[in-house]
This record gives sequence, structure tokens and C-alpha cells, in this order.
Amino acid sequence: AQSVTQLGSHVSVSEGALVLLRCNYSSSVPPYLFWYVQYPNQGLQLLLKYTTGATLVKGINGFEAEFKKSETSFHLTKPSAHMSDAAEYFCAVTLMFSGGYNKLIFGAGTRLAVHP
Amino acid sequence: DTGVSQNPRHKITKRGQNVTFRCDPISEHNRLYWYRQTLGQGPEFLTYFQNEAQLEKSRLLSDRFSAERPKGSFSTLEIQRTEQGDSAMYLCASSYHRPTSGRKNNEQFFGPGTRLTVL
Repeated sequence: AQSVTQLGSHVSVSEGALVLLRCNYSSSVPPYLFWYVQYPNQGLQLLLKYTTGATLVKGINGFEAEFKKSETSFHLTKPSAHMSDAAEYFCAVTLMFSGGYNKLIFGAGTRLAVHP
Repeated sequence: DTGVSQNPRHKITKRGQNVTFRCDPISEHNRLYWYRQTLGQGPEFLTYFQNEAQLEKSRLLSDRFSAERPKGSFSTLEIQRTEQGDSAMYLCASSYHRPTSGRKNNEQFFGPGTRLTVL
């Protein structure tokens, strides 16, 4: 069975500071990993994903994440936080089946606050 | 706007009433997913369709819940005899699945959700 643990339900940073949101996964087979962002009263938007290949993945809005198999982690980072980054962030895992992946298993989410 | 749309955006109902939500996926997408998100939690998978066929249902989907996608386009999610524990955001997502595409991308695009409040 697969699962995702996001460490820290709330993270607060200053504008311009490093953003680090932590995600650890559990999977019996090589996983496919995702980060989604959710703004208030909106659906989820894909930030980035890891499927195969390069373990450092770059996404939208300056975010990136590194897949570390030995640590079973997929932490999300951004060098310099912007006020507009304030939102809820979800890490998700799935398995790849023939022709594509299937349902997503989400973590509980981390709410990022950015203060001036 | 050609994204995933959901209606209504908000629904308030009394315990015991039936409610129905609608999801219109991106037009060429053949897969449609329903998720439920309760306060302070991540979305949880409920069920998904490929075209009109319902391929998987979560144990979260009790007998009071039913989902349909009759013509392989829009989908409805009905909850009968609602309970206060059904209060949540119901999210719909769609993707394009190509059986012979190997490991091609079939990203799930999410709608804005329907927020259900059961009084």
C-alpha cells in the first residue's frame, strides 16, 4: 500500500526566505510523486511531478523538488518566497500502470504562510 | 474556459436530504475521478470512470453514494440521506488516458470543487 506523510501542517516564512515543505512516502514499488497547490476556494493545480529520469524536478512558479529514494522523500523547495505563494500544498503518490497512472494518494497538506 | 467545471460550487442541505453534484470534464478527456476533501485533510479518492465505465470504487463510497457517467462525458455524484459527516469538498478531476501510450503523461486536472454543508 502507498502512503504519504507531510511533516508540518503549517509552515511560516518571511518573504524572500527559503521555502521547504517536507514529504515522505511509502511505496512497495517505485512511486510516481507529485506536488499540488490549492488556493482558497479553488481546485488543485499541479506544481511538478516525478515519474522517471532526473531526480531533481523543476516546476512552475520557481518550485523544485528532489526525489531521494534512500530517504523515501520528495521535499518541495523554493529559494525565495513570495507573498503569492501563500496556499496549501499537497504531496501525492501513485503507481504507474500500462498507459498511465491512476488514482492519487494525497498527504494531509501543509499550509504555507508568507509574511512581509 | 475549457477547464473542469463543477456545479454547484456550494450546497447547504439538511440531514436526510439527497444531493446531486455535477462535473463536466475537459472535453477530450476519457477519465474522470471523484475525490473528497474534509477540513484539514488532503483529497481522498472515491471513484473513477474510463468513458462510461466505473472502474474502481473506494471503500469510502458507502451505499448512500452513487456516481454515474452515462455518456462518457459529464458525471454526477449523488448522496442519499445525507449525514453531517458527509460535509466536505467534493473534487472532480479528469485526464486523457491512452492505453498504448506507455508512460506518457496523463495528468489529472482538477475542478474547483463543490463544498457540501450538511446541517
